[in-house]
Amino acid sequence: GENVEQHPSTLSVQEGDSAVIKCTYSDSASNYFPWYKQELGKGPQLIIDIRSNVGEKKDQRIAVTLNKTAKHFSLHITETQPEDSAVYFCAASDVGTASKLTFGTGTRLQVTL
Amino acid sequence: DAGVIQSPRHEVTEMGQEVTLRCKPISGHNSLFWYRQTMMRGLELLIYFNNNVPIDDSGMPEDRFSAKMPNASFSTLKIQPSEPRDSAVYFCASSPEKGAEEQYFGPGTRLTVT
Repeated sequence: GENVEQHPSTLSVQEGDSAVIKCTYSDSASNYFPWYKQELGKGPQLIIDIRSNVGEKKDQRIAVTLNKTAKHFSLHITETQPEDSAVYFCAASDVGTASKLTFGTGTRLQVTL
Repeated sequence: DAGVIQSPRHEVTEMGQEVTLRCKPISGHNSLFWYRQTMMRGLELLIYFNNNVPIDDSGMPEDRFSAKMPNASFSTLKIQPSEPRDSAVYFCASSPEKGAEEQYFGPGTRLTVT
């Protein structure tokens, strides 16, 4: 089955700086890679996703890159703000076979003033 | 537009009791997922349904756990009998597509078994 590793487990940045979270996956058949943000006491919220036919996707201050050859993908947050503080999860899935999402272990991001 | 609705939000029960968690998916979504989240094991998929039919229940930990989806707008996850190691946050998620794309999570039910 799919195995997703996520690093770092914790990340502290100053407001305005950039944050990068990295994930690797094991199943070369995986073709869908979402990122979720989970705030305290809430469910994970989908913030951006990328499919295997593109290498990069941006949405305002958030971007995701995908390297299929190396089987890794990354989340980039620019100009971080205190409200970006949360736990971020990456995930991978082979949607063609209706497989389940396999989640990484999460990164706790703390944006300090 | 209402998101995924879960009830109760918090449940405290004694070991051996039956626990039923409820979920209402987003209207029009045809896939529903039950997850369990703990510090030790992270987010684990327990079971998922497509068009009310269970597709993959390989994550259900043991026979004490069962899930049903009698119609497109309602699902339950039951634990009988409950044990302290079942204490976790249980999430329900729904998706407009078959499989795993674009899952939308509910607020979760925090279960404590004493």
